[in-house]
Amino acid sequence: GAVVSQHPSRVICKSGTSVKIECRSLDFQATTMFWYRQFPKKSLMLMATSNEGSKATYEQGVEKDKFLINHASLTLSTLTVTSAHPEDSSFYICSARAGTKSPFGSGTRLTVV
Amino acid sequence: AQKITQTQPGMFVQEKEAVTLDCTYDTSDPSYGLFWYKQPSSGEMIFLIYQGSYDQQNATEGRYSLNFQKARKSANLVISASQLGDSAMYFCAMREGPFSGGYNKLIFGAGTRLAVHP
Repeated sequence: GAVVSQHPSRVICKSGTSVKIECRSLDFQATTMFWYRQFPKKSLMLMATSNEGSKATYEQGVEKDKFLINHASLTLSTLTVTSAHPEDSSFYICSARAGTKSPFGSGTRLTVV
Repeated sequence: AQKITQTQPGMFVQEKEAVTLDCTYDTSDPSYGLFWYKQPSSGEMIFLIYQGSYDQQNATEGRYSLNFQKARKSANLVISASQLGDSAMYFCAMREGPFSGGYNKLIFGAGTRLAVHP
């Protein structure tokens, strides 16, 4: 139980375009989801906390207008990277709280060219 | 201040032997949870083991055990009988309780890369 599905697993986009990443809880309801970013050979950095039905809480230094988060239902949170730049290329991964567990999606590798 | 510290950037172990990955944490919240995740080269985060701050016994999950020393604020991961497939990055993480700001979120250590040699 407590499975999180994340799509797409890989995406390549052109500079200036927007990319949407989806994170779904498959067998439980996730009132809270988390979005992380990971640079090569580095740890996970929390970007924002997504709460169903309310605005996301962003960590210090994360641009709200660049990384749009929507949590419209108890099973779906989306991260949209707007006006993507090559420096936005990274590994993005989501997580949800499920009791004591914190399952993760499989991650999305974004490359902006 | 760093809340989760993993001091071993890299470790190697011989197949079938045991290995301990270190993790220390810092929190003033009496209620917290400690996690270990494995991240293979594919990038997915695989949950290994969880220890609650009020748990009396050390957590165990198959070949994984957590050496929880509350007074020392350490939560080391012990992998017994290492296998080649254990080669990966390992992250220690903490989730603080409701008395801390940012309830629910996980804070990660820098990670330890484990290499298992045949």
